[in-house]
Amino acid sequence: ETGVTQTPRHLVMGMTNKKSLKCEQHLGHNAMYWYKQSAKKPLELMFVYSLEERVENNSVPSRFSPECPNSSHLFLHLHTLQPEDSALYLCASSRQGSSYNSPLHFGNGTRLTVT
Amino acid sequence: AQSVTQLDSQVPVFEEAPVELRCNYSSSVSVYLFWYVQYPNQGLQLLLKYLSGSTLVKGINGFEAEFNKSQTSFHLRKPSVHISDTAEYFCAVRAYLGGGSNYKLTFGKGTLLTVNP
Repeated sequence: ETGVTQTPRHLVMGMTNKKSLKCEQHLGHNAMYWYKQSAKKPLELMFVYSLEERVENNSVPSRFSPECPNSSHLFLHLHTLQPEDSALYLCASSRQGSSYNSPLHFGNGTRLTVT
Repeated sequence: AQSVTQLDSQVPVFEEAPVELRCNYSSSVSVYLFWYVQYPNQGLQLLLKYLSGSTLVKGINGFEAEFNKSQTSFHLRKPSVHISDTAEYFCAVRAYLGGGSNYKLTFGKGTLLTVNP
């Protein structure tokens, strides 16, 4: 149990489907993140929410749409994805404040396959 | 902007042998440094972190790392590895920046450590 729970663990979807990834944290953190992990590439930061406001959007295509309804929940809505979007999507959380050395706590990820 | 280079993509070793996983970073400002481990089918887990003070930091599972500012390195070491240490290891750096970007953590590409019997 990492304190950050992601569902589903595995997802296979067609390019015309619409699906959502869910992340929930029980650590009392106030910042949440979406990362994309592809083979042979560094982790790519996609979105950051701090105090439920989006503070980072790293040029992510609009077919990925994040939602953060409260500090404990984070969603990633997916639509009309491409096969190259197949990857492990990791959610993380941390405590943001005057001290920016708080480490990230990761969930176990959602393995997404786009067919 | 900061960057992280992990010089070895794969490191095979035998059980009970020592291991060093190399990490170099570049940044124009002060940094915080981290090592994370990822076991198969899991997310990343914090191994250890350097924030300030002693340059030798100890983490979980018997790992340690040494911050070398002059060489801009933060190599991870373990004197004797076990089969269960087989995993991917990621070095990460967070530069201390002003404004709203203090949270940005930059990861290396990872090093796959394989411990053989």
